[in-house]
Amino acid sequence: GAGVSQTPSNKVTEKGKYVELRCDPISGHTALYWYRQSLGQGPEFLIYFQGTGAADDSGLPNDRFFAVRPEGSVSTLKIQRTERGDSAVYLCASSPLKGGYGYTFGSGTRLTVV
Amino acid sequence: AQKVTQAQTEISVVEKEDVTLDCVYETRDTTYYLFWYKQPPSGELVFLIRRNSFDEQNEISGRYSWNFQKSTSSFNFTITASQVVDSAVYFCALSEANTGFQKLVFGTGTRLLVSP
Repeated sequence: GAGVSQTPSNKVTEKGKYVELRCDPISGHTALYWYRQSLGQGPEFLIYFQGTGAADDSGLPNDRFFAVRPEGSVSTLKIQRTERGDSAVYLCASSPLKGGYGYTFGSGTRLTVV
Repeated sequence: AQKVTQAQTEISVVEKEDVTLDCVYETRDTTYYLFWYKQPPSGELVFLIRRNSFDEQNEISGRYSWNFQKSTSSFNFTITASQVVDSAVYFCALSEANTGFQKLVFGTGTRLLVSP
């Protein structure tokens, strides 16, 4: 596609539920990144994929968070047993090369856990 | 450890004023990139500029200019003759060679309000 697409744009879920957030990167981009942006803060790195594999998942806050990219294109961020503290905007970005080149970000998914 | 500080939380100016957004960074790496992003109300982060640590030349792009000074670890951003459409949150960010440039470390952002 022309840009990075994230769905849904908004998600409200109840505490304890499971959610999936989807990212569709720019066609041909091999690198894909997930960031989380809490209110009034800058984005924080969660995980980075090069192709199908997670090259660095050091930013995932705990084992309730998991992400996949099975075919090297679309990625899904999965959050189990959601907590109110998970409420944030989840941003996805993609890049044609191995980093350092100014990623293209999507508009994000605003997750609200009530 | 890497860190980016944007001390200005919010700046308000009147249209046509010049405004400078400050960015101070910390890194132990000698090779790194610095970035500025704009986040308008729509929420999407828009890439503005990338500079590498070996290039201290100042850069100008239209009404935008950037001043990179390694001696003070600063990478400041100036908007000349500001316009209402410049209203947004601006983020400075850093990526380092020791992470393969794969992680961006962002500052907390500066909200710029330009009034007519």
